[in-house]
Amino acid sequence: DGGITQSPKYLFRKEGQNVTLSCEQNLNHDAMYWYRQDPGQGLRLIYYSQIVNDFQKGDIAEGYSVSREKKESFPLTVTSAQKNPTAFYLCASSIDLPGEGTEAFFGQGTRLTVV
Amino acid sequence: SQKIEQNSEALNIQEGKTATLTCNYTNYSPAYLQWYRQDPGRGPVFLLLIRENEKEKRKERLKVTFDTTLKQSLFHITASQPADSATYLCAHLMDSSYKLIFGSGTRLLVRP
Repeated sequence: DGGITQSPKYLFRKEGQNVTLSCEQNLNHDAMYWYRQDPGQGLRLIYYSQIVNDFQKGDIAEGYSVSREKKESFPLTVTSAQKNPTAFYLCASSIDLPGEGTEAFFGQGTRLTVV
Repeated sequence: SQKIEQNSEALNIQEGKTATLTCNYTNYSPAYLQWYRQDPGRGPVFLLLIRENEKEKRKERLKVTFDTTLKQSLFHITASQPADSATYLCAHLMDSSYKLIFGSGTRLLVRP
């Protein structure tokens, strides 16, 4: 089945440690996204990538880093510089059709808790 | 700055009634808007897309309108059911940047 997979579903991290969240898609989509969602809040864009080896900062990139070495993979690293990392993280992908506004497909999310 | 806004207050309605949710945008004119549904602890799921030259779009019990004069999109669910209870988000892709931005979402609760 085609889709977008995030792992792990739940993640616990000690304060001061970096952690990497996985996002893999087999939909052959060019564009990929990372969002953060806090309780009762909307989605805030962290990073996005239109194509392999290229990515741009979203609205809340500080304390996060990404890579896009393969079309199907877009891992997110939450660094120790992120002051409040506990949140629900969502990865998404979409076909690259400029101006067409195609839909985004989301993974099931990773809930990160800093302990 | 460009903004996309939704009513943060939850909408509580009786089963069978029509639910109407609002998405407002300021300081820009999007070529289209997308609507998604999100259930607790899950990723959003795409429902409908409406373009600026389309006044209305329908899909089963769902209807979306786009009023460029009012800078607003309305999302309607007719004959609502308790299973429609979820958070509904509007989104748009900022021009020529592939930056997909979401509103804060409106939670809908349909009482049986």
